[in-house]
Amino acid sequence: NFMLTQPHSVSAYPGKTVTISCTRSGGSIASNYVQWYQKRPGSAPTTVIYEDTARPSGVPDRFSGSVDTSSNSASLTISGLKTEDEADYYCQSHDITTRVFGGGTRLTVL
Amino acid sequence: QITLKESGPTLVKPTQTLTLTCTFSGFSLTSTGVAVDWIRQPPGKALEWLALIYWDDDKRYSPSLKNRLTITRDTSKNQVVLTMTYMDPLDTATYYCGHKANTYGHFDYWGQGALVTVSS
Repeated sequence: NFMLTQPHSVSAYPGKTVTISCTRSGGSIASNYVQWYQKRPGSAPTTVIYEDTARPSGVPDRFSGSVDTSSNSASLTISGLKTEDEADYYCQSHDITTRVFGGGTRLTVL
Repeated sequence: QITLKESGPTLVKPTQTLTLTCTFSGFSLTSTGVAVDWIRQPPGKALEWLALIYWDDDKRYSPSLKNRLTITRDTSKNQVVLTMTYMDPLDTATYYCGHKANTYGHFDYWGQGALVTVSS
């Protein structure tokens, strides 16, 4: 089994850039793809990044994903922050037997 | 167009068994690589993955809940059913089903979620 650890919260002003980390414990971050989901209250999650770095159609290019094997972590970066980006963000990955979500990060746009 | 919708009781008593149904359209659960998962979110808490069923009827369960969960499918009805035994107030959550187009892909379609409250 493995775990994904995210910061509880991050905040930044509109127009700025914010990065949310997702650190894997138990196994290599590079061994399985990481997905990122945006979750707003009362709505189902939506994918903002899949397969580490890919963006679904309709997701603005202000959203980007990366993986750093040295820190065994993945990151979601949102540039040019907008108030509409305020939400909870979850990373998710898998191994051969299970899928795991991170604990979620609350993004506040100040 | 792919759609999924969860259905089941909104209120269950402690120790009862919960049965949730995910009714879907727009895809076949017998197509290679396709999977349907169940995920839940307790109020104010994080998303938690519960179980999945693959196109070939293979199944996986959350290690922490595997003794309480059973996932099945009815391909003729386009349904996936999740049963959870010995329900506890801590199981109060919104339960989602999600579609994956390939084995290790992302959840590209989700149901709207079903709130289940466990209370006597």
